[in-house]
Amino acid sequence: AQSVAQPEDQVNVAEGNPLTVKCTYSVSGNPYLFWYVQYPNRGLQFLLKYITGDNLVKGSYGFEAEFNKSQTSFHLKKPSALVSDSALYFCAVRGFKTIFGAGTRLFVKA
Amino acid sequence: DAGVIQSPRHEVTEMGQEVTLRCKPISGHNSLFWYRQTMMRGLELLIYFNNNVPIDDSGMPEDRFSAKMPNASFSTLKIQPSEPRDSAVYFCATAYREGSTDTQYFGPGTRLTVL
Repeated sequence: AQSVAQPEDQVNVAEGNPLTVKCTYSVSGNPYLFWYVQYPNRGLQFLLKYITGDNLVKGSYGFEAEFNKSQTSFHLKKPSALVSDSALYFCAVRGFKTIFGAGTRLFVKA
Repeated sequence: DAGVIQSPRHEVTEMGQEVTLRCKPISGHNSLFWYRQTMMRGLELLIYFNNNVPIDDSGMPEDRFSAKMPNASFSTLKIQPSEPRDSAVYFCATAYREGSTDTQYFGPGTRLTVL
């Protein structure tokens, strides 16, 4: 069975500070991992994905994610948060089908 | 490209009425997904199609829900009869399935309110 967990409902960070949004997964075989972002009243938008290769994946808007096989994690990171990064973030894992996490609301305070 | 197009963007209806939600995928994409999003249940996959064929409909809540994809350019999600608990935002997403690396592109959603 495959699953994905986002342990934090909300992450609060001050503008300019680094941010991390956590994700852990369980899947048989090689994991295909994704991050999506959802702004208010919008559909989800693709940020980045890990298929194979370098454990550090770079994506849109300055975001990156680190794949850690031993910890089965795929945390989303950004060195310096912006107020405009405030949104709902979803981690997803692709096994037989794509499963989305429950989402983590990121709030960046000016 | 115009992206995934969904219509209507908002739908308000009364309990018992039939509701039809529509989706036009991105040209060239061969996979289509219907999701439902609520505060209580988060994002739920209802059904997905590959090359117009339903592959997994295990997420469809009950027989009141049905989905069709008559061709590569169009899909519908129908609820008949609708109930207040069906109130949610319904998203259509499409992807070009290249092995297992498909990235999904979401439409803007249809906000359904059943009174």
